[in-house]
Amino acid sequence: EVQLVESGGGLVQPGRSLRLSCTASGVTFGDFPMSWVRQAPGKGLEWVGFISSYAHGGTTEYAASVKGRVSISRDDSKSIAYLQVSSLKAEDTAVYYCTSDEEGSGYYMTWGQGTLVTVSS
Amino acid sequence: EIVLTQSPATLSLSPGERATLSCRASQSVSGYLAWYQQKPGQAPRLLIYDASNRATGIPPRFSGSGSGTDFTLTISSLEPEDFAVYYCQQRSNWPSFGQGTKVEIK
Repeated sequence: EVQLVESGGGLVQPGRSLRLSCTASGVTFGDFPMSWVRQAPGKGLEWVGFISSYAHGGTTEYAASVKGRVSISRDDSKSIAYLQVSSLKAEDTAVYYCTSDEEGSGYYMTWGQGTLVTVSS
Repeated sequence: EIVLTQSPATLSLSPGERATLSCRASQSVSGYLAWYQQKPGQAPRLLIYDASNRATGIPPRFSGSGSGTDFTLTISSLEPEDFAVYYCQQRSNWPSFGQGTKVEIK
């Protein structure tokens, strides 16, 4: 069974950067794409971006709303995916979930518990 | 960007009743649509993928239908644990989610 655990959230000042981690277990991590989805307090789900497996080039794609400020990477040797967000704004305040797409279907079978990022001075 | 519009925003029903949730896409997504359930304080859970296929472990009272731009999630007889928020998601283009439908106890 795949398990995902996010870490790295917290209170951050506007304009600063933050790196979130997503550690996977119970699976051959390098075989499938990883995505990040966020949810602002009391709001719906927003896709942030994804990284493909290195077998598929390790390509990344990002939502237009965050493009240029976010970067997703992965370290398959450690079974960790990362989300780096720079120039943080108040509207980046959200619970950030990592998700895995074990079948490469474009749907999200497994989710972490989420990590809360609060952007405030 | 494909916009998904869910209706109604809130559905007030009693246990045992049938729930019908709608998701409409701004352009065709073929059959590439999923439904998720989210309870307070929890991550979403995949229920249905490719419009009508139940994910592993999802009970048969959950069913999905539709194609193109109009999709429906039906819960045939609501159980107490089904009261939650439901989201649709398309993967035809860059992924996007609907704004959610809350199914609440009447």
